[in-house]
Parts: sequence; structure tokens; C-alpha cells
Amino acid sequence: EAQVTQNPRYLITVTGKKLTVTCSQNMNHEYMSWYRQDPGLGLRQIYYSMNVEVTDKGDVPEGYKVSRKEKRNFPLILESPSPNQTSLYFCASRTGGNNEQFFGPGTRLTVL
Amino acid sequence: AQSVTQLGSHVSVSEGALVLLRCNYSSSVPPYLFWYVQYPNQGLQLLLKYTTGATLVKGINGFEAEFKKSETSFHLTKPSAHMSDAAEYFCAVRKGSGGSNYKLTFGKGTLLTVNP
Repeated sequence: EAQVTQNPRYLITVTGKKLTVTCSQNMNHEYMSWYRQDPGLGLRQIYYSMNVEVTDKGDVPEGYKVSRKEKRNFPLILESPSPNQTSLYFCASRTGGNNEQFFGPGTRLTVL
Repeated sequence: AQSVTQLGSHVSVSEGALVLLRCNYSSSVPPYLFWYVQYPNQGLQLLLKYTTGATLVKGINGFEAEFKKSETSFHLTKPSAHMSDAAEYFCAVRKGSGGSNYKLTFGKGTLLTVNP
């Protein structure tokens, strides 16, 4: 089944404790992206990647890092999480052209 | 830069009534336009998209949207609401040209409530 998977789905952590949210897709898509969703703000792009080893900042990259060492994986790294990073995070992927983005199921992160 | 405005953060309709969710965009180049739906505790699912060609596009679950360039709008409609349509709806825009124009810019969402 074609899908985007994220792990973990739920995470509660404390300020300053490094964490990684994994994202993997099995559709051989070139493009991958991370978004955060906050009430009243919709989805905002954090980082995106156009292919292996090619990444760029989105609208709200501060406090986040990403890497794209393999085509299928696009982990999101929070080196020192803060409470304002409490949010619902979505990973998405797509192939080139005008094809739709496929979204993962989301990761709900709470930073205390 | 592109942007999306969804008029009305919350829309409430009766079952069987017309659904109209409004979306206006700004884009310096011809846009690609999308509507996504998010059911409670789930990810986003594509409802429909406009890229080129026919300006009236039909999507899943009986929804359709019309691209009106003169009004910079892409409103979502459904003739008769069903209880299962209750969800949050997001309009999104991205640049229509190729290259690295990958970013989708989302509106803030409209929560649709369907009353029995």
C-alpha cells in the first residue's frame, strides 16, 4: 500500500531534550516536506526536500533541522525543543509535476 | 509570494443544504489550487485540484470547485450536505510553474459542521 508513515504518532517530552520524528514514504517520491498545524493558523511549511541531499527552509524553520540521506526518509530533528514547538506535525511527499501531496497521519508533540 | 484567505473559520449547515466554503488566493503567476479535507484525528486528504484546463473541477464525495481568475477565487461547493462531510477543509495554492516551486501555501482552514 502506498503510504507515508510517521513515528511516533504521539510524543510528550520536556524542554531541551533532543528528539527526532521519522518520516518514510514507499512511493519513490522525490519531494518531501514537513508542516506544522496549529489552531487558527492552518498548516505552515517547516522544511522541504527536492531530492536526496537537497533541502531548503520553509516558512517556519527556526528550531528545526532535517536531513535527506535516503530518498524514502526525511526525519525532522528538534535539537532543543521548547514549549512553542508543541504542535501537530505532518510529513508529506509527492512526485514531480502537478501531482498531489500525500500526507502522513501526523505526530502530536507536546513539549513541557 | 502567494497567499490564501479562507473566509469563515467555521461554517454550519443543515443536512441536505448547500455547502459553500470560500477561498481567495493571491499569486504572481498562474496558480495550482487545491482543496484538502481533514477528518477528526486524521491526516489531510486531497478533495480536488485545479492545474490547467477546465475551470470547474470535480472531486471526491460530490464536491466541486470553480477557478475564477478574475475573482482570484476557488470556492468549494456541494449541493447537499451529509453528516459525514463534517470536517476541516483547507484551501492551498502553489505556483504553477516547475522547478523548485514546491511549497504549498495553506489557508487557515474552515471547520464545517453539519446539523441534523
